[in-house]
Amino acid sequence: AQSVSQHNHHVILSEAASLELGCNYSYGGTVNLFWYVQYPGQHLQLLLKYFSGDPLVKGIKGFEAEFIKSKFSFNLRKPSVQWSDTAEYFCAVKVSGGYNKLIFGAGTRLAVHP
Amino acid sequence: GAGVSQTPSNKVTEKGKYVELRCDPISGHTALYWYRQSLGQGPEFLIYFQGTGAADDSGLPNDRFFAVRPEGSVSTLKIQRTERGDSAVYLCASSLEAGGTGELFFGEGSRLTVL
Repeated sequence: AQSVSQHNHHVILSEAASLELGCNYSYGGTVNLFWYVQYPGQHLQLLLKYFSGDPLVKGIKGFEAEFIKSKFSFNLRKPSVQWSDTAEYFCAVKVSGGYNKLIFGAGTRLAVHP
Repeated sequence: GAGVSQTPSNKVTEKGKYVELRCDPISGHTALYWYRQSLGQGPEFLIYFQGTGAADDSGLPNDRFFAVRPEGSVSTLKIQRTERGDSAVYLCASSLEAGGTGELFFGEGSRLTVL
């Protein structure tokens, strides 16, 4: 069975600081990887996804993530955060080729102070 | 509607009562998913519908939980004999088709509190 581990449960940053949120998954086969974001009072929405090809994936709002197969990792990065990035971030995995049965990590709550 | 709609947004009930949670997916989305999010956890898969049929109900925790989607659109999650441990946010999501693009469109959830 697949599982996802997010190492940081709470992260506090000042505006303009760089961000890296860790995500590791456990599964022996081919997977698809995702980052979802939940802004305060809003629903979960897709931030970016990796299916194949270039392991460096760019998403909305300046976020990017790098798939490192040898490390089973899919870390999320942003060079300079803004107050509006305050949200909860979830890493998720699904078996490649399957339907959208996503396995989510526990989430990382990011607070950005002005 | 423009997005996935879930009702009620909040439900408080007593232990042992029956509860129904409703999900209205995005029009035209054939795939529908229910997830449950407990405090401090990520969403946990419960059940997946493709059209009217439950294609995968492996995430339902026990036989007190049941879900239907009789006309392939609106779905209802039913919980019998509720327990305090059922307290969570129940999320519904839909996608355009069964094919796994990974993009699920989530509703805002129904927060269930069992006293």
